[in-house]
Amino acid sequence: GQSLEQPSEVTAVEGAIVQINCTYQTSGFYGLSWYQQHDGGAPTFLSYNALDGLEETGRFSSFLSRSDSYGYLLLQELQMKDSASYFCAPDSWGKLQFGAGTQVVVTP
Amino acid sequence: DAGVTQSPTHLIKTRGQQVTLRCSPISGHKSVSWYQQVLGQGPQFIFQYYEKEERGRGNFPDRFSARQFPNYSSELNVNALLLGDSALYLCASSLALSTDTQYFGPGTRLTVL
Repeated sequence: GQSLEQPSEVTAVEGAIVQINCTYQTSGFYGLSWYQQHDGGAPTFLSYNALDGLEETGRFSSFLSRSDSYGYLLLQELQMKDSASYFCAPDSWGKLQFGAGTQVVVTP
Repeated sequence: DAGVTQSPTHLIKTRGQQVTLRCSPISGHKSVSWYQQVLGQGPQFIFQYYEKEERGRGNFPDRFSARQFPNYSSELNVNALLLGDSALYLCASSLALSTDTQYFGPGTRLTVL
């Protein structure tokens, strides 16, 4: 079957580092995407890992271990504007599978 | 360049009615996917179209249908609306069939009364 797990909520202060873990079980796995969504907005692409290892894009980094069916998103130097929902989305047979997401709350 | 556009922005329908939602992908993008997002949940995959052919279908009843036109724009149709169809309907486009980067439109907020 298919399953996806990530924490429901994470709270951190400005300037801190947050790691959002994602474990998945899916068939036909191609890669793992991460999206950010602010309240009332559309999901915005953050990163995609097709191979094992770390991908770095500015303050955001994403990691994938295909053998462990595990990935994480690292948010560094947190800013208030980073308060949003973050979704990991395994690419299964060319289709993105979204879970309920992780609500990140950044406090002053 | 314009991003993904969707129309209408908001829509209110009553149970049993039919609705058509429209999506224009980013210029040059040939793949369009449709998602349903219920409040508090992540987007759920409905359809993917590439080069005017259906390439993927999620776990949705046959009341949901879609098509892609020669200019790569797309329509999502939902018949016999139920209260549970109330959601944000998102369209996403990508260059090719691969989903390594999908660009989402602002969505259509559908309310079924």
